[in-house]
Amino acid sequence: SQQGEEDPQALSIQEGENATMNCSYKTSINNLQWYRQNSGRGLVHLILIRSNEREKHSGRLRVTLDTSKKSSSLLITASRAADTASYFCATPRGGNNDMRFGAGTRLTVKP
Amino acid sequence: GAVVSQHPSRVICKSGTSVKIECRSLDFQATTMFWYRQFPKQSLMLMATSNEGSKATYEQGVEKDKFLINHASLTLSTLTVTSAHPEDSSFYICSARGFWSPNTEAFFGQGTRLTVV
Repeated sequence: SQQGEEDPQALSIQEGENATMNCSYKTSINNLQWYRQNSGRGLVHLILIRSNEREKHSGRLRVTLDTSKKSSSLLITASRAADTASYFCATPRGGNNDMRFGAGTRLTVKP
Repeated sequence: GAVVSQHPSRVICKSGTSVKIECRSLDFQATTMFWYRQFPKQSLMLMATSNEGSKATYEQGVEKDKFLINHASLTLSTLTVTSAHPEDSSFYICSARGFWSPNTEAFFGQGTRLTVV
C-alpha cells in the first residue's frame, strides 16, 4: 500500500509562478525525501529532510515537515518550463529502509 | 552521491520469453537492493527486497516464480521477468543501499522500460 498521499495530483502553472505540492504519510519516520521524475525516466533525488528538521532549502526548493500532522510540502519558486515533471515524496520503511512513495504530483509549467 | 546503474534502459520482448534486468552499484557495496515497478501515471510500488547472499523477500501479490531476483554479489542484483506477458509491460526501477546510515537518501537506477508484445 502507498505510504503517502500527495495533492494535488496534477498542477498546471505559468512560468515564473510558484508551485506547492503537499504530501501526507501515516507512520512515524526518520526522514522524508522528495524526488523528481521526468516522463519515462528515472528518479532524481531533490532533498531529504530529517524528522527533527522543520524546513530545508535547496536553491529554488523549499521543503517543510510537520511531524505532528504527518505532512510535508515542497515549494518550487520561480518555476521554469524545465521543472515540468512528476514529484514524489517518499519515506523509508522498516528495517531494510525501502522507500515508500506517495502518489505523486504531475506538475506542468507552461512557458 | 553513490551511483546505481541499471541495464537495459529499454527492452521489447515477445510474449512468453524471459527478460533479465541488471542493477549495479558502481562505487559502493550494496548490502540491500530493492526492485520497484511503476505503471503509467502511477507511483512506484515495491516488488521485492534482496539482501546479498540470501533469498529475496517479495511484497504481497508479487509472484516470486515470475519475478526472479538474484543478488549474488555486493554490487549486482538481477531481476528476471519469466514468461513475460503484455500485462508485465511496465517501468522497473532498482534502488540500492550500503552500510551507511539509513537516514540518508536512497539511490536509484535509471529504470528499465519493458514492453511485451
